[in-house]
Amino acid sequence: RKEVEQDPGPFNVPEGATVAFNCTYSNSASQSFFWYRQDCRKEPKLLMSVYSSGNEDGRFTAQLNRASQYISLLIRDSKLSDSATYLCVVNVGGATNKLIFGTGTLLAVQP
Amino acid sequence: EAGVTQSPTHLIKTRGQQATLRCSPISGHTSVYWYQQALGLGLQFLLWYDEGEERNRGNFPPRFSGRQFPNYSSELNVNALELEDSALYLCASRGQNVYNSPLHFGNGTRLTVT
Repeated sequence: RKEVEQDPGPFNVPEGATVAFNCTYSNSASQSFFWYRQDCRKEPKLLMSVYSSGNEDGRFTAQLNRASQYISLLIRDSKLSDSATYLCVVNVGGATNKLIFGTGTLLAVQP
Repeated sequence: EAGVTQSPTHLIKTRGQQATLRCSPISGHTSVYWYQQALGLGLQFLLWYDEGEERNRGNFPPRFSGRQFPNYSSELNVNALELEDSALYLCASRGQNVYNSPLHFGNGTRLTVT
């Protein structure tokens, strides 16, 4: 089983739609979690950190479920500019301080 | 505040040659990470440096090596280049509260091996 797994998509949604991505992780000792956005052939950019209580930033909501070992990202009122690959990142921490990236979920917002 | 800077932006080498990639972290960041992203694939962890020492490395052969300098900038060296080394190499740095701090990426170096 992969350490971090994401549905690769693509998710094709119309503008204005609500879309949700899940990301599961295998190491229960994982300490911190992030969502990144990556545009084609560009570097990943931090979208948001994921806090235990869940957090929201405008149209984006991130949640963490430690019991089931997954994090989620909800995008409301999708815009064309949201089209990108969304990467979840899990920090296992400890001496190795491993940061594991999921392979990403491709979102294509259609006009 | 300047972000993470990487050089060169593009690098073209032939098989068997050596490549050196450079990275300057955000001011105040002591941790530097290197990742490889081959076309259409996910990010693969290469190396982590902190306070001048290699702390962890990914599942890559020894011909991938690097170092971190006293000013926390870093170099990634790839010896005996192979065609499959062609990829985007991303450097990222991280703040003092390492476990809860996100990574900040540079624009990457696109290495092409012919």
